Amino acid sequence: TQLLEQSPQFLSIQEGENLTVYCNSSSVFSSLQWYRQEPGEGPVLLVTVVTGGEVKKLKRLTFQFGDARKDSSLHITAAQPGDTGLYLCAAPNFGNEKLTFGTGTRLTIIP
Amino acid sequence: NAGVTQTPKFQVLKTGQSMTLQCAQDMNHEYMSWYRQDPGMGLRLIHYSVGAGITDQGEVPNGYNVSRSTTEDFPLRLLSAAPSQTSVYFCASSYSLRVRTGFTGELFFGEGSRLTVL
Repeated sequence: TQLLEQSPQFLSIQEGENLTVYCNSSSVFSSLQWYRQEPGEGPVLLVTVVTGGEVKKLKRLTFQFGDARKDSSLHITAAQPGDTGLYLCAAPNFGNEKLTFGTGTRLTIIP
Repeated sequence: NAGVTQTPKFQVLKTGQSMTLQCAQDMNHEYMSWYRQDPGMGLRLIHYSVGAGITDQGEVPNGYNVSRSTTEDFPLRLLSAAPSQTSVYFCASSYSLRVRTGFTGELFFGEGSRLTVL
């Protein structure tokens, strides 16, 4: 099972600031997903990236897949309190139907 | 649209007791899975199923059993609860899109079941 390391583990910033969180592994991924989880709920898919170097934008969120497909980043521009939550990256294991999740980044946006 | 439904939402057990966490989905998804979530450890896969009658182990299967007799239901059984099984459990389902070397289908999660073992 491949390991996905996310950093930072916790991040607390003021509303309006920009931030970047990271997902790294020593393994090469065929694809990578980002989920957001709010308190008391299950995670919800934000995006799937499948091509090395791929950049996807979702309003103020920008997702990038590393060229070597070993890492990914999530950049949020002008953070808002509604962005508060646990951000999880996830990647499939080669040859089976297991999806491995990272340890998560807990983001708090202070109004 | 119900999506993925988990019951119960909260449960307290004593060490050694057994129980079943129920999971049902109404999206006709072939793929279903169970994760546990503990502070600082993200989501860890317990068991998964790619269709009725087929199950397989995830990263942390010990102490848990599953079965998949129908497409809709995927119950998780704790045979003899231990304090180490105190956690929040999530059931998730997907269309099971397998693309060459991996699984890239979107997982749809239930709201979770919080289990405390005393």
